[in-house]
Amino acid sequence: GAGVSQSPSNKVTEKGKDVELRCDPISGHTALYWYRQRLGQGLEFLIYFQGNSAPDKSGLPSDRFSAERTGESVSTLTIQRTQQEDSAVYLCASSLFGGLLAGGGETQYFGPGTRLLVL
Amino acid sequence: QQQVKQSPQSLIVQKGGISIINCAYENTAFDYFPWYQQFPGKGPALLIAIRPDVSEKKEGRFTISFNKSAKQFSLHIMDSQPGDSATYFCAASGSGGSNYKLTFGKGTLLTVNP
Repeated sequence: GAGVSQSPSNKVTEKGKDVELRCDPISGHTALYWYRQRLGQGLEFLIYFQGNSAPDKSGLPSDRFSAERTGESVSTLTIQRTQQEDSAVYLCASSLFGGLLAGGGETQYFGPGTRLLVL
Repeated sequence: QQQVKQSPQSLIVQKGGISIINCAYENTAFDYFPWYQQFPGKGPALLIAIRPDVSEKKEGRFTISFNKSAKQFSLHIMDSQPGDSATYFCAASGSGGSNYKLTFGKGTLLTVNP
C-alpha cells in the first residue's frame, strides 16, 4: 500500500557506462510517467506508459534513453553510454487511470527519485 | 514550445507572513493547473490544483488565484510556517491527446524563518 518507490536512490557512474533505474508504481495504477529534474530546473517530461505500452515517448532526449514496463507494474529507464549532461534526478510518477482514460487533471504521485551522477 | 514561467526563484518569509508565488503560461489549451510541494530528498507531492472555470480555490492556508485573461495563476500561503519551507512548483496540462503531460515551472525555494 506504500507510495511510488524508486531504486537505487543514488547512482554514481562513469561516463560511457550504461545505467538502469527502476520504478515501482502504486499498486493498481495503470499509468506511469518518467520525468527528469536537472539542478535548478523544473521537471521535464520523458515518457508516459499506459499499461505496458508507451503512447508518448516524445520527451526522451536521445536514442541513448529507453524505457520499458512490465504489465501494469515495474518500469525501468535505461540510459546507455551515459554522458555528464545526463546527471540529474530521475523521477517516476504513477496515476490511477492515465490522462487518455481519465480526461486530464488526474493526480500524479511521485517517487523520491534516483539521483544520477555521471563522472 | 509550451512554457510555464515561475517567479520568484527564491523567497524568504517570516513566520506568520504571506508567501506569494506567481506563474504565467502561454498555451491557452492548458486547463489544469496544479501546485506541487517538494521537500529535500523527496518527490513532489500535489498541494492544490485549479481549473480555469473558477478564479480562486482555497484549501486551509493555501489559496490559488487564477486570472484566465492574463494567463497567470499564483499560490498564496497564509500564516506561513517553518514547516512550509520547501520548493514549490507550478505546472499545467492541457486538454486533448496529451492531457497527462505536465509542464512544470522551474520552482521556487521558500524559506520561512522562525
